[in-house]
Amino acid sequence: AQSVAQPEDQVNVAEGNPLTVKCTYSVSGNPYLFWYVQYPNRGLQFLLKYITGDNLVKGSYGFEAEFNKSQTSFHLKKPSALVSDSALYFCAVRVSNTGKLIFGQGTTLQVKP
Amino acid sequence: KAGVTQTPRYLIKTRGQQVTLSCSPISGHRSVSWYQQTPGQGLQFLFEYFSETQRNKGNFPGRFSGRQFSNSRSEMNVSTLELGDSALYLCASSYTTGNPYEQYFGPGTRLTVT
Repeated sequence: AQSVAQPEDQVNVAEGNPLTVKCTYSVSGNPYLFWYVQYPNRGLQFLLKYITGDNLVKGSYGFEAEFNKSQTSFHLKKPSALVSDSALYFCAVRVSNTGKLIFGQGTTLQVKP
Repeated sequence: KAGVTQTPRYLIKTRGQQVTLSCSPISGHRSVSWYQQTPGQGLQFLFEYFSETQRNKGNFPGRFSGRQFSNSRSEMNVSTLELGDSALYLCASSYTTGNPYEQYFGPGTRLTVT
């Protein structure tokens, strides 16, 4: 069965510092991985995806993610955090050839001034 | 392009009633998926529709159903509401089903069952 794990419920970082939000996955076959962000009382916003190709994927708002097949990880990163990045972040894997996404439990990112 | 729209945004219903939620996808998108978000269970897949056909279904009871119209708009229905159905229901649209297209989510419908 396919699954996604986000090992940290919350990540705290100071503004201006680099941030990492961790995600590991378990899939059979090639993984199709996504990161979404959710602000309070809002839907999910797409940040980036890995389908194939370069292991470093660049996305919206300065975010990037590093795909590591040997470690089955897809960590979200940003070189310099902003207070406005504070939100709930979800990693997801798509079940092959379907529209079904399996989400991790989410990580709350808190960026302090 | 306009984003995914969901109506209504908020609903309060009584246990035993039924409810219908509506989703209009991004123009040109033909795949619509529905998810339930709760604090305890997180985000769970309900079902996916493509070309008016249900393509995939999650592990939810038969009280949860949906449909898609020829213009790709979708509705989901929950009958005989239970307290545990209180959740944020999210609709997502995609150009087509399957890889590699990402899904774009609407703002959600917050359903409260009392």
